[in-house]
Amino acid sequence: GAVVSQHPSWVICKSGTSVKIECRSLDFQATTMFWYRQFPKQSLMLMATSNEGSKATYEQGVEKDKFLINHASLTLSTLTVTSAHPEDSSFYICSAKGTSGGPYNEQFFGPGTRLTVL
Amino acid sequence: GENVEQHPSTLSVQEGDSAVIKCTYSDSASNYFPWYKQELGKGPQLIIDIRSNVGEKKDQRIAVTLNKTAKHFSLHITETQPEDSAVYFCAASQGYSTLTFGKGTMLLVSP
Repeated sequence: GAVVSQHPSWVICKSGTSVKIECRSLDFQATTMFWYRQFPKQSLMLMATSNEGSKATYEQGVEKDKFLINHASLTLSTLTVTSAHPEDSSFYICSAKGTSGGPYNEQFFGPGTRLTVL
Repeated sequence: GENVEQHPSTLSVQEGDSAVIKCTYSDSASNYFPWYKQELGKGPQLIIDIRSNVGEKKDQRIAVTLNKTAKHFSLHITETQPEDSAVYFCAASQGYSTLTFGKGTMLLVSP
C-alpha cells in the first residue's frame, strides 16, 4: 500500500517551454501533496504544499507563477514548470499524505522526475 | 523553525557490520521522526518511523531510537548487506507541519 507514482520519470525540453509533471497516489486518497526539488548530493528542498481543492502554499523563495501547482483531486497533483530555463534543471519529487498517519506527518514519496532544460 | 542535524555525512562499513546514523533536532514540539532510504536516481523510500510516544522501534534489521530529553534519534542497521548502500535521510515534524530533513548520510557497504 501507499504507492505514489510520477510521470514522466525524465523529460528533456528546450529553454522557454513549459513542462508538466504528474503525481498520483495509487492506492490511497492524498489529502495533502508536497513538491520537492533536489540538487545532486543535496537534501530535499520543499517547494510547496497543496491540499485538494485549495491553492498551494509556496515556500519562501519559490516563484508561484513559475511553478504552477494544481491539486484537483484526492489522487492527482500536477507541477508545471513554466518558461523553463537551464537553471530549472533538477530532480523533482512529490510526496503524498493520506489519513492513515493520523496526526502525524507520514508522507510517501514518488520516484521523482529528472528535468533537463537545454 | 525546526533544524535537523545529521551525522555522519558518509559511512563505510564491511558487509555484516552494524551501521548507526544519528540526528538531532531543535524543536521540542516535534513528534514524528521518519527515516528514508534513497537509491541513486530514485525517490526516498520510508523505511521506518518513530513517534514521540515511544523510545524505540524495530523492524527486522532496522531499528530507531528516540531520546526526547536530548532531542536526538538514531537509525541502527544490523548485519548490513551491499543492497543497504544508499543515502539515508532523517526528518522531523510536528503535527501537520512540514518535514524538516537532515542533509543525508551516504552509506557504503563493501562485500
